Amino acid sequence: GQSLEQPSEVTAVEGAIVQINCTYQTSGFYGLSWYQQHDGGAPTFLSYNGLDGLEETGRFSSFLSRSDSYGYLLLQELQMKDSASYFCAVSTNAGKSTFGDGTTLTVKP
Amino acid sequence: EAGVAQSPRYKIIEKRQSVAFWCNPISGHATLYWYQQILGQGPKLLIQFQNNGVVDDSQLPKDRFSAERLKGVDSTLKIQPAKLEDSAVYLCASSHLAGTDNTEAFFGQGTRLTVV
Repeated sequence: GQSLEQPSEVTAVEGAIVQINCTYQTSGFYGLSWYQQHDGGAPTFLSYNGLDGLEETGRFSSFLSRSDSYGYLLLQELQMKDSASYFCAVSTNAGKSTFGDGTTLTVKP
Repeated sequence: EAGVAQSPRYKIIEKRQSVAFWCNPISGHATLYWYQQILGQGPKLLIQFQNNGVVDDSQLPKDRFSAERLKGVDSTLKIQPAKLEDSAVYLCASSHLAGTDNTEAFFGQGTRLTVV
């Protein structure tokens, strides 16, 4: 089976940096993805890590340590529009995907 | 490219009734997913198709839920009979072949089901 843990809520102020952690337990781990979902909207893809290390996409970066079964999403220069839920999702080498329960990020002025 | 299309957007039914949702994935995407998202939770995978074969349906309540993917393209998800706890948003997503590094999933807007 697969399980993922991420904090349920995070609050930060505009312009700050926030890190959302994700730990997982899975057999046949293949990669870790991150998705953003605004209230009432569909999840949208942010980033993917298949190998250890940091992947940077603009203000968002994602990190993976396969040996620690751990990853994080780093959001820099926070903006009000970044207020949303953020989900980590593991994929396995059998092609199966599982989402975490999400972290609600609230950005305050 | 056109996104993942789902219909209907909203549905209200009484318990014990049946309901069906439709999904048209992005053209060329081999993998199609149906997720159930209850308010405040992450998407829970119900069923995953690769072309027209089932990869994973371990969390599909098979006594009341069924899904098919016609000719490896469109898909329908059916609930019969519905229960109150089935109230949720049903999300369809598609991606290129799962199990590769190109696993970005594209989601439709979902169908919000309310069972009363």
